Amino acid sequence: NAGVTQTPKFQVLKTGQSMTLQCAQDMNHEYMSWYRQDPGMGLRLIHYSVGAGITDQGEVPNGYNVSRSTTEDFPLRLLSAAPSQTSVYFCASSYSGSNQPQHFGDGTRLSIL
Amino acid sequence: AQSVTQLGSHVSVSEGALVLLRCNYSSSVPPYLFWYVQYPNQGLQLLLKYTSAATLVKGINGFEAEFKKSETSFHLTKPSAHMSDAAEYFCAVSEAGGGADGLTFGKGTHLIIQP
Repeated sequence: NAGVTQTPKFQVLKTGQSMTLQCAQDMNHEYMSWYRQDPGMGLRLIHYSVGAGITDQGEVPNGYNVSRSTTEDFPLRLLSAAPSQTSVYFCASSYSGSNQPQHFGDGTRLSIL
Repeated sequence: AQSVTQLGSHVSVSEGALVLLRCNYSSSVPPYLFWYVQYPNQGLQLLLKYTSAATLVKGINGFEAEFKKSETSFHLTKPSAHMSDAAEYFCAVSEAGGGADGLTFGKGTHLIIQP
C-alpha cells in the first residue's frame, strides 16, 4: 500500500515555465487537497477536491490549476511559474473531508529561478 | 473564519523533561482539532485528533492533548521527551460539518531536544 505518492520530489524551473506536480493515492479516498509550505507560514491550502470531477479553491489558488478526472489522481499545474511560487508542495487525501485525518505525501520541493 | 495560533516557533527541552506545545484556535462552530508531526524532508504524520468524543486525547509516541473549550486551547504534551521527538509540530483545525474547506494550520513549533 503506497499511500499518497508525489512526483517529482525536486524540481527547478525558470520564471514563466509551466509544469505539473503529480499526486496519486491508492486508498480510494474521495477527498484530496494541495498545500504549500513556506518557512514560518505553516501549510496553506491551494485547491481541494471532494470527488472526481469536483474541485474548488483554497486560501492561495492564484497561479495554480487543478483537475480531478479520476479518484486516484489530483495533479497541480503551475501555469506560468513565478519566484513567489518557490515552496514545498504537499498533497493530502482522506476518506471524505478535511475533518478526518489526512494522509500526506512526502512533498515536492520546487524552486523558481 | 477559523484560525490557529501556536505559541513559540521554537521550543527547547532536555531529554526526559516534560514537553508542552501550545495551540489556541478560533472557530465559529465546534471544531475538529489535530496535531501533526513533520520530520525533516518528510510529509506530515498524524499524532492525534479531537472530534468531541473525549476532551483528553491520546496519540502515538506517548503524546496527548487536552481540549479546553473555555480557553479555546488544544495543547500537546508528553511526560518525558526523547531525542527522537525532535521535529516540527503543527496544530490544525477543521470546522465540523461537511469538512470540505481544508485544514487551517498553525505556523508550527520546532521542538529541540537537548541531551
